[in-house]
Amino acid sequence: KQEVTQIPAALSVPEGENLVLNCSFTDSAIYNLQWFRQDPGKGLTSLLLIQSSQREQTSGRLNASLDKSSGRSTLYIAASQPGDSATYLCAVSPTTSGTYKYIFGTGTRLKVLA
Amino acid sequence: DTGVSQDPRHKITKRGQNVTFRCDPISEHNRLYWYRQTLGQGPEFLTYFQNEAQLEKSRLLSDRFSAERPKGSFSTLEIQRTEQGDSAMYLCASSPEGFDHRMNTEAFFGQGTRLTVV
Repeated sequence: KQEVTQIPAALSVPEGENLVLNCSFTDSAIYNLQWFRQDPGKGLTSLLLIQSSQREQTSGRLNASLDKSSGRSTLYIAASQPGDSATYLCAVSPTTSGTYKYIFGTGTRLKVLA
Repeated sequence: DTGVSQDPRHKITKRGQNVTFRCDPISEHNRLYWYRQTLGQGPEFLTYFQNEAQLEKSRLLSDRFSAERPKGSFSTLEIQRTEQGDSAMYLCASSPEGFDHRMNTEAFFGQGTRLTVV
């Protein structure tokens, strides 16, 4: 059974710091991995999608990497800003035949202090 | 098209009442998903539609829950005889079919419906 873990559960950093959020998954048989942002009481906003054949994806100050064989992904945020404060979720899409669902971790709550 | 739309945004209901939520996916996305999220947890998969066909249901979807996507466009999720444990955020997502129909593609989520059962 695929399980997704995110460490740390919460993180508080001063503005301007570079930071890394971690995501690990137990079964390397995935099609892709997606990182999301969720503001309190809101839905999910897609940040980056990494296909299983890719090693990394970049969007602005965000860089996500994927090491499928070791079951790990990292989300790197450069020069953090107070507006980055949110919960960050990673989700994997298993290759199990007939399923298209995403399996989520419990998220990392990030607070960037001004 | 402005993305996945969910209605209502908030619903407060008394225990035992029935509720129905609506989701309008991004146009031409033939895949639609429902997830449930409780406080401090990640979203949990409930059910998946490919066009109008409901192809997968989670064990979380008890007999009191039913979902439909009658014309392959919008979807509804109904909860009958609501219980306090049903209180959660209900999220809808849609995605297009990729060049490889077996693969999952980027999922786009709505703002969710917050259900409170009192």
